[in-house]
Amino acid sequence: DAMVIQNPRYQVTQFGKPVTLSCSQTLNHNVMYWYQQKSSQAPKLLFHYYDKDFNNEADTPDNFQSRRPNTSFCFLDIRSPGLGDAAMYLCATSTSTGKGSYTFGSGTRLTVV
Amino acid sequence: SQQGEEDPQALSIQEGENATMNCSYKTSINNLQWYRQNSGRGLVHLILIRSNEREKHSGRLRVTLDTSKKSSSLLITASRAADTASYFCATDADGYNKLIFGAGTRLAVHP
Repeated sequence: DAMVIQNPRYQVTQFGKPVTLSCSQTLNHNVMYWYQQKSSQAPKLLFHYYDKDFNNEADTPDNFQSRRPNTSFCFLDIRSPGLGDAAMYLCATSTSTGKGSYTFGSGTRLTVV
Repeated sequence: SQQGEEDPQALSIQEGENATMNCSYKTSINNLQWYRQNSGRGLVHLILIRSNEREKHSGRLRVTLDTSKKSSSLLITASRAADTASYFCATDADGYNKLIFGAGTRLAVHP
């Protein structure tokens, strides 16, 4: 089945140690998104790629960066994780047709120790 | 911010009762979507309603949309304990190609 896959499901990293989360898709969707969801809060959009064009949300910290080497893969890099970055990170994809079809991965839960 | 507000923040009901959650948003939209999320799990897409639609049904779910008031409601009829989850509305704003989530409603259905 076509899907959005996030690895790993759980990630533990040390305070200040760079960490990368990955997302892959088999849907051939041209838009990919990264959301951060802290406990008991709504998912918050960090940034998205429209094809190769990177779109950063205004309030996304500089500590968060992303790479999209090809259509299928997108990475979230956290350069110096702090305790406040512990959260569920959700990847999603969509087409740019405006039809509203978004597909979410199962998420990576990041713990910072 | 485009992010909408949801109310109530938390809702506790008995099995068999109906649950109504409301969502308000700020900008013009292509569509509005509702998602469910069980504790610690991923998002499950429930229903999408387009800006030119006023009401949509899916099983025990009924969604309404009032674009003049920039608001939507989700009704779950004959609730079950398995409906216990957080429910989020999300707006797909016109021209932005991104989904923005409301704060969510935590629903608890007691047997």
